[in-house]
Amino acid sequence: QSVLTQPPSASGTPGQRVTISCSGSSSNIGSNYVYWYQQLPGTAPKLLIYSNNQRPSGVPDRFSGSKSGTSASLAISGLRSEDEADYYCATWDDSLSGWVFGGGTKLTVL
Amino acid sequence: EVQLVESGGGLVQPGGSLRLSCAASGFTFSTYDMHWVRQGKGKGLEWVSGISTTGDTFYLGSVKGRFTTSRENAKNSLYLQMNSLRAEDTAVYYCARGGDGWDYWGQGTLVTVSS
Repeated sequence: QSVLTQPPSASGTPGQRVTISCSGSSSNIGSNYVYWYQQLPGTAPKLLIYSNNQRPSGVPDRFSGSKSGTSASLAISGLRSEDEADYYCATWDDSLSGWVFGGGTKLTVL
Repeated sequence: EVQLVESGGGLVQPGGSLRLSCAASGFTFSTYDMHWVRQGKGKGLEWVSGISTTGDTFYLGSVKGRFTTSRENAKNSLYLQMNSLRAEDTAVYYCARGGDGWDYWGQGTLVTVSS
């Protein structure tokens, strides 16, 4: 049982826009930045979004992040086959004094 | 080019110990927080431990008292000493560079705890 809640799966067709949600509480998302990671099969995770909505250099602007209250979302527009991966949200939890992840969302491009 | 290379994984019996290393290059190691994140087979990511530039350490609750993270800036190296290992510690262990998110990750090293 993860501290942050994500849907286990999401899907879309090429060109579509999909969103992945991440729900937490006042001790984590509600008071700290949210980060998103993409993990392609068999590879190490890659930072996709930092500080709620900032993209590292090299990450396409098709990826965007947002946060409201105790929830956050990752949006992917213009879906491509290479976006098929697992996506994880993460943040610091003040109560646990540690970093916490969502359970991950497996994105399938149909 | 930033590189993180983990080593030290392997098969260990329950109750045993293992020391993981992470060799860093391509950046000023001493100026970054560093972290360990693990992933069980077919499972999600789980943060294990972090160490600040000043040596302050933070741990996942289930590993506190069993795992110790340290760094040796002169050798650009991060370590994870794992004692009293349990079957549930079986995972690929990644080291990651901190900052605004974990922007660089190693390839991971597999730790298997089994008799």
